[in-house]
Amino acid sequence: KNEVEQSPQNLTAQEGEFITINCSYSVGISALHWLQQHPGGGIVSLFMLSSGKKKHGRLIATINIQEKHSSLHITASHPRDSAVYICAAETGANSKLTFGKGITLSVRP
Amino acid sequence: EAQVTQNPRYLITVTGKKLTVTCSQNMNHEYMSWYRQDPGLGLRQIYYSMNVEVTDKGDVPEGYKVSRKEKRNFPLILESPSPNQTSLYFCASSFGGFPSTDTQYFGPGTRLTVL
Repeated sequence: KNEVEQSPQNLTAQEGEFITINCSYSVGISALHWLQQHPGGGIVSLFMLSSGKKKHGRLIATINIQEKHSSLHITASHPRDSAVYICAAETGANSKLTFGKGITLSVRP
Repeated sequence: EAQVTQNPRYLITVTGKKLTVTCSQNMNHEYMSWYRQDPGLGLRQIYYSMNVEVTDKGDVPEGYKVSRKEKRNFPLILESPSPNQTSLYFCASSFGGFPSTDTQYFGPGTRLTVL
C-alpha cells in the first residue's frame, strides 16, 4: 500500500465549479507538499503545510494531522487550472519526500 | 533569473554507457533533490542533498550515484544505465536544508531513454 494516497484519480469539472482534491497519508510527517504539473510537464510547488490552512489566490490547502489527511480546494475553477495535482509527504529526520500518484484535473469551459 | 537548469533535456543512449545528467541552481539553495517520474508510479525521490557533501538516499537510489561538491551543482550519474532507468527526471532545489523550509523550485526535466 502506498504511503500517500490521492483521490479521485481523475477529475473533470465545469468552469466556475468549486473543486476538492484529497490526499491521505499513513505515516507521521513533518510537512505536506502540494505540487502542480502543467500539461507541458513543468512542476510548480503550490503549498507546504504542517498544520491548519494556507491560501494563495483561488487555491486553499488544509491539513488535519490527527486524521492524516489534506485537501486542496480550487474556487471558481478555470480551464487554466487543468493540470496534474500531486501531494507529497515529508518524513523522517532527513526529510525524505514520498509522493502520491497525482490527480489529473480537467476543467471544461 | 532564478532557475534550476538541467542538461541534457533529452537523451537516448544504450545499455551500459555511463552518463551524467547535470543540475545547477543559481539561488544559493542548500537543499537539492533528484526525482524520476514514471507512468502509473508518479514521482519518486532518488537522492537528495541537504548541503554540500551531505547526500542521502530516497526511495529508488539503486543504479544511481550523486555528488554535491559545490552548492550550485548536483549531478546525477548513471554508471551503467539499463532500460528500466528510462524515465523523466526532475531536479529540484529549495533554500533551507529541508524541502519544507521554502518553496521547491523544479528544473524543466530530462527525458532519458535507455535502449
